[in-house]
Amino acid sequence: QVQLQESGPGLVKPSQTLSLTCTVSGGSITSGGYHWGWIRQLPGKGLEWIGYIYSSGNTYYNPSLKSRLTISLDTSKDQFVLRLSSVTAADTALYYCARRPLGMHYFFDYWGQGILVTVSS
Amino acid sequence: QSALTQPASVSGSPGQSITISCTGTSNDVGAYDFVSWYQHHPGKAPKLIIYDVSDRPSGVSIRFSGSKSGNTASLTISGLQSEDEADYYCSSYASGNTLYVFGTGTKVTVL
Repeated sequence: QVQLQESGPGLVKPSQTLSLTCTVSGGSITSGGYHWGWIRQLPGKGLEWIGYIYSSGNTYYNPSLKSRLTISLDTSKDQFVLRLSSVTAADTALYYCARRPLGMHYFFDYWGQGILVTVSS
Repeated sequence: QSALTQPASVSGSPGQSITISCTGTSNDVGAYDFVSWYQHHPGKAPKLIIYDVSDRPSGVSIRFSGSKSGNTASLTISGLQSEDEADYYCSSYASGNTLYVFGTGTKVTVL
């Protein structure tokens, strides 16, 4: 059974870069067949898709975040990383990592438990 | 892209059936059969329970069913059980670069 686990700092200062890691167990991110991505829940609001990456390194980003966003792979550790630069209080959210099957499938079949990130000085 | 609209809360007694609506537009729910539903118990990982409008992943109870009419998708939980008490979110593929739009979430309470 695939499991995903987010890790990273829970507090980030405004204007700094938010960096989160998702560790995948029970499967390899290089085996193909899936996109590995990030979704966040803003306080009091619904979910927002951030973006995802394929094992080839191809990325797909939410246009509203694209200018500040980088998603990368660390294949040696079966991890993928989210970096969001120039953060503000509006980036305070519960961040989830998740897996999306390739092809004509537009859903996320496995998620992590989420990590709360607060942007505050 | 605006969020899909869900009722904030729905409740029912054990054994009853409840339905959660998810209203979008002709650019998302109405345009594609790529609606999915997630069950979320706070503090745990969200769980996929319906994909492609009405398909259930392996291992998901047959008490969960999905449908769609026009711009509105629906999730029905039959034979409501205490463990169904959770938050539920819908999602749809959307035209444009955003790709995914999610619902506002519905809290299900088992009375």
